[in-house]
Amino acid sequence: AQSVTQLGSHVSVSEGALVLLRCNYSSSVPPYLFWYVQYPNQGLQLLLKYTSAATLVKGINGFEAEFKKSETSFHLTKPSAHMSDAAEYFCAVSFSPKLIFGTGTRLQVFP
Amino acid sequence: DVKVTQSSRYLVKRTGEKVFLECVQDMDHENMFWYRQDPGLGLRLIYFSYDVKMKEKGDIPEGYSVSREKKERFSLILESASTNQTSMYLCASRRVIGGENIQYFGAGTRLSVL
Repeated sequence: AQSVTQLGSHVSVSEGALVLLRCNYSSSVPPYLFWYVQYPNQGLQLLLKYTSAATLVKGINGFEAEFKKSETSFHLTKPSAHMSDAAEYFCAVSFSPKLIFGTGTRLQVFP
Repeated sequence: DVKVTQSSRYLVKRTGEKVFLECVQDMDHENMFWYRQDPGLGLRLIYFSYDVKMKEKGDIPEGYSVSREKKERFSLILESASTNQTSMYLCASRRVIGGENIQYFGAGTRLSVL
């Protein structure tokens, strides 16, 4: 069965620091994986997706994620945090047609 | 751009009321979904629809029903609202043909049941 675990419900970083949000997945088939972002009082917006073409996936707003099959991980990173990155981030695995979401990580960025 | 529109951003209802949450998408997507979002629980699937007049229960369907009479519109119905249905409700749609399983979300409806 497909599932997703996001380690850390809250992450705080200083502006300009590295952002690392962790996601581990479990899937009985080669997975399709996604990161979504939710800004305050808004719906979810797709950041990036992995569909087996390349293990390093680049998304919007300078975010990227690396698929590591051996570690069953799909961690999200950004080299330098910006105040506008403050939001909640969700990792998801496909169980077509459904998506199975993690419980989310709230990112705070301090000046 | 895909647009998924939820008719209300905020709703306040009383216990026992019948509540309708409406969702419309403008990209002729076959699949549509209703989720509820609660702190610490992430998004949980309530119901989804493969296509017009087709529906399937998700993980937490109890206390909810849905209607999809037209392809662009997917309604979530709370037959008799209860306080434990106070939550954020998110609608999403997805293209099947040639799709990459990307779901597009509306802005959400924050429902309070008093």
